[in-house]
Amino acid sequence: GQSLEQPSEVTAVEGAIVQINCTYQTSGFYGLSWYQQHDGGAPTFLSYNALDGLEETGRFSSFLSRSDSYGYLLLQELQMKDSASYFCALYNQGGKLIFGQGTELSVKP
Amino acid sequence: DAGVIQSPRHEVTEMGQEVTLRCKPISGHNSLFWYRQTMMRGLELLIYFNNNVPIDDSGMPEDRFSAKMPNASFSTLKIQPSEPRDSAVYFCASSPMAGQSYEQYFGPGTRLTVT
Repeated sequence: GQSLEQPSEVTAVEGAIVQINCTYQTSGFYGLSWYQQHDGGAPTFLSYNALDGLEETGRFSSFLSRSDSYGYLLLQELQMKDSASYFCALYNQGGKLIFGQGTELSVKP
Repeated sequence: DAGVIQSPRHEVTEMGQEVTLRCKPISGHNSLFWYRQTMMRGLELLIYFNNNVPIDDSGMPEDRFSAKMPNASFSTLKIQPSEPRDSAVYFCASSPMAGQSYEQYFGPGTRLTVT
């Protein structure tokens, strides 16, 4: 089967940089996705890594290392509105996503 | 575009009753996914369809759950009979054909409470 591990909670201050790590176990997958979910809302897509390395999208960057079964999401210039849950997910054939348990990010003033 | 539409947004029902959740995917999307989210189990994929055909239903918890997609613009998830442990938020998501896009677009969810 497939499984992912993320820290359950992370706290950071406004304006800072925070990294949310994700380790996974799988025999095969197409890529690693990241989603954001605000309390009571729908998950929204942030980024996707098909290949090893860094993908940058504005204040958010995501990294994948297949050899280390590891990825992370980097959020820069943190804002209060970034307080949310962040999920890593393995992207498989047919578009099937297997999600981690999520990391709750709290941004403090 | 209206996005993925789900109905109802909230459902409260008694144990043993039939529950039907509805989803309208984004027009032109070929793949549709049903998820369940709880505090204990997180976000779980229940079943997904490609071009209206069920591809993988290995996440459906038991025979009380069934899903259909009679056409490209409508899908249902039915629970019969419902049990208190089915209480969760159920999300529907759609995406263009796998390989064309990696993004899934989630609906607002249906919060189901079974008493």
